[in-house]
Amino acid sequence: DGGITQSPKYLFRKEGQNVTLSCEQNLNHDAMYWYRQDPGQGLRLIYYSQIVNDFQKGDIAEGYSVSREKKESFPLTVTSAQKNPTAFYLCASSIRTGGSEQYFGPGTRLTVT
Amino acid sequence: QKEVEQNSGPLSVPEGAIASLNCTYSDRGSQSFFWYRQYSGKSPELIMFIYSNGDKEDGRFTAQLNKASQYVSLLIRDSQPSDSATYLCAGDRGSTLGRLYFGRGTQLTVWP
Repeated sequence: DGGITQSPKYLFRKEGQNVTLSCEQNLNHDAMYWYRQDPGQGLRLIYYSQIVNDFQKGDIAEGYSVSREKKESFPLTVTSAQKNPTAFYLCASSIRTGGSEQYFGPGTRLTVT
Repeated sequence: QKEVEQNSGPLSVPEGAIASLNCTYSDRGSQSFFWYRQYSGKSPELIMFIYSNGDKEDGRFTAQLNKASQYVSLLIRDSQPSDSATYLCAGDRGSTLGRLYFGRGTQLTVWP
């Protein structure tokens, strides 16, 4: 089955700890994206990557880091510098950049206390 | 000014009615538009995309794009309680970077 997987589904961390969220796709898509969604809010772009070993900051990149060492994988690290990390994190991918449709993984709900 | 704006709703319609969801965008260079459905606690699911002026139909869903007026709409015919969800509108900016801009979503409730 082709698709996007994110793990874990729920994640709990103590304040001050870094945490890495996994995103894997087997759709052979070039582009991958990380969004954050807060209650009652739309999706806000954190980082995106158009090709392996390249990525760009989105609108709210502060306190986050990413890597793109493989086409299939785009992990997101939420660092202790992120002031309000509790949110629903969504990974998406698209065949290419430039207006193609994006498909989302199931999401990771992160709670930091 | 936000790139993509939606009526936040909520929108409530009876079963069998037509639900109309609207979205406006600010960048005249935008080329591609997408409608996503998001059930509570779940991730967004792509239901329609439209690139050209006019209407695009897929089953009970019709997407409409008017580039002159810079609006996009989604019509859901014969609405069902299972259509109750938040609908997100998204558009690009006509650049080659490929990122999408999302509206805040419109919450739709279809009551039996």
